[in-house]
Amino acid sequence: NAGVTQTPKFQVLKTGQSMTLQCAQDMNHNSMYWYRQDPGMGLRLIYYSASEGTTDKGEVPNGYNVSRLNKREFSLRLESAAPSQTSVYFCASSEAGINQPQHFGDGTRLSIL
Amino acid sequence: KNEVEQSPQNLTAQEGEFITINCSYSVGISALHWLQQHPGGGIVSLFMLSSGKKKHGRLIATINIQEKHSSLHITASHPRDSAVYICAVIRGGSRLTFGEGTQLTVNP
Repeated sequence: NAGVTQTPKFQVLKTGQSMTLQCAQDMNHNSMYWYRQDPGMGLRLIYYSASEGTTDKGEVPNGYNVSRLNKREFSLRLESAAPSQTSVYFCASSEAGINQPQHFGDGTRLSIL
Repeated sequence: KNEVEQSPQNLTAQEGEFITINCSYSVGISALHWLQQHPGGGIVSLFMLSSGKKKHGRLIATINIQEKHSSLHITASHPRDSAVYICAVIRGGSRLTFGEGTQLTVNP
């Protein structure tokens, strides 16, 4: 059972480089999310997509863009990476509606030098 | 002050001990989520609850909506329970607000 799959698992970038983090889910979920996790802080929402074709900003959207390519896939793009974006990034998905549990991917560890 | 506070931040226990992790929140919520993050980094949902108590194996979660407090209990702890336990609240829809997590280490 794949669940939520994130690629890559690890990446090192130089300041100013761009990259896209990929996320795909096979649970037919409507809603998808991107979070970042930093030491000493809880997970913070970057962007989310309530359904295919819609995206909305979360708490910390600056420096990121997202694309909900189809119902399965939700990508996160860093256009010009900065050291402050060094973090572990998690993708999650859930059924639509209130109080639905979220299912998480294994994370992408991103370092920006 | 964070909207979701967990205590303790770090907890070390001996195998077999009863463990309690606390979560307090300062906002109105529709439900609360307990999650487990293993050393490898993956995050797994343990419970979602909006009232009362839920039990799964050796894990028990309780919530008191009036007091804005939830607890996660682990009975007969085992080294494989070592992980970060994260409390998250749902304020509307399915968006989560997370606590910082509690690092639990269970020694044999």
